[in-house]
Amino acid sequence: GAGVSQSPRYKVAKRGQDVALRCDPISGHVSLFWYQQALGQGPEFLTYFQNEAQLDKSGLPSDRFFAERPEGSVSTLKIQRTQQEDSAVYLCASSFGQALYNEQFFGPGTRLTVL
Amino acid sequence: AQRVTQPEKLLSVFKGAPVELKCNYSYSGSPELFWYVQYSRQRLQLLLRHISRESIKGFTADLNKGETSFHLKKPFAQEEDSAMYYCALSGTGNQFYFGTGTSLTVIP
Repeated sequence: GAGVSQSPRYKVAKRGQDVALRCDPISGHVSLFWYQQALGQGPEFLTYFQNEAQLDKSGLPSDRFFAERPEGSVSTLKIQRTQQEDSAVYLCASSFGQALYNEQFFGPGTRLTVL
Repeated sequence: AQRVTQPEKLLSVFKGAPVELKCNYSYSGSPELFWYVQYSRQRLQLLLRHISRESIKGFTADLNKGETSFHLKKPFAQEEDSAMYYCALSGTGNQFYFGTGTSLTVIP
């Protein structure tokens, strides 16, 4: 069974471009998280989905960030008009149950560099 | 506010020596605490969680509510323990908070 996959693995964008980052969670996992990890920092919570419902988006840093999970499986994180401060590794994680004490399984991350 | 503090960015110990990675948290309730680990060129993965009261790879962590700490301990460090360790917390709402991480190096 494949784990969580993310694509692309690396993305270079010019400032002002829009980007879309994809996450394929483990099949059957109800919960899906997105995190932003800046260099030398821990992962910072961005948003949480339970199936297709986005239950928490309090960590999204600005209205340029948008996430969706329309069918309760694949999720996309979109960043509009990218800025240099958006450069980071974006991690996706999924877990089987709804409770936040369940183990999260992480993807390899997408490294975004904004020039 | 829910916050996790790992005061040591870098920690080096000799093989066979005890190791303790510190984690303190700030939370006004009953949190769930976790330790995640990232080995070189691997993904972030769960090491252990408070709710399971488990010992994984010889590591244990005790929740001390009085000191608001969840330090990770191992009596005898092994070279394969060299990795980045993150303490994490979940509580009210649906957020999940990670500390800034401690890079552990076990010297042969």
